[in-house]
Amino acid sequence: NAGVTQTPKFQVLKTGQSMTLQCAQDMNHNSMYWYRQDPGMGLRLIYYSASEGTTDKGEVPNGYNVSRLNKREFSLRLESAAPSQTSVYFCASSLQGGIPNEQFFGPGTRLTVL
Amino acid sequence: DQQVKQNSPSLSVQEGRISILNCDYTNSMFDYFLWYKKYPAEGPTFLISISSIKDKNEDGRFTVFLNKSAKHLSLHIVPSQPGDSAVYFCAARESNTGNQFYFGTGTSLTVIP
Repeated sequence: NAGVTQTPKFQVLKTGQSMTLQCAQDMNHNSMYWYRQDPGMGLRLIYYSASEGTTDKGEVPNGYNVSRLNKREFSLRLESAAPSQTSVYFCASSLQGGIPNEQFFGPGTRLTVL
Repeated sequence: DQQVKQNSPSLSVQEGRISILNCDYTNSMFDYFLWYKKYPAEGPTFLISISSIKDKNEDGRFTVFLNKSAKHLSLHIVPSQPGDSAVYFCAARESNTGNQFYFGTGTSLTVIP
């Protein structure tokens, strides 16, 4: 099992460009999450999907959209990138959203917006 | 406003001694607390968790203590090993959200051989 995979690993964008970060898990987990990690801020939840077909905003959703394509895949889209979105993005999944099972994290995507 | 705080950015401990990592929170609606460990260029990995109805949970070398009245939890690692050197994140779940987890800023632990 690959666990949680993220693509790409690194990306550089110019202000105003758009891109989609891809995430997939092969553990048959119900819930999936997108976080960003910034220096001195810890991890902050952007969006999550408790189950296939549902998505909800987290702590810092502005400037992002998400799609739960199927049970395996959860993508994060930046429509018009801004320098403030320079960060490391982590995708995670867990077995059941209502029970605080451990979250399994992907290796991260390091995004720089110039 | 940071609801989960880790006030020590870094900690150094001799191999074999105890490491104590601390975490404070402000939200009384948190019902579950977790600790994650993160190596550079990798995602966090789950270590141990505790429900708000308990005050201690132990798993091998790792023990988490919860003091609800003080809104404080700590992670004890005994004995510390060089492989424990990593960044440790404290996280908490808000009970009425089900999926909202709040993370602290992390503490970088260095275990000196």
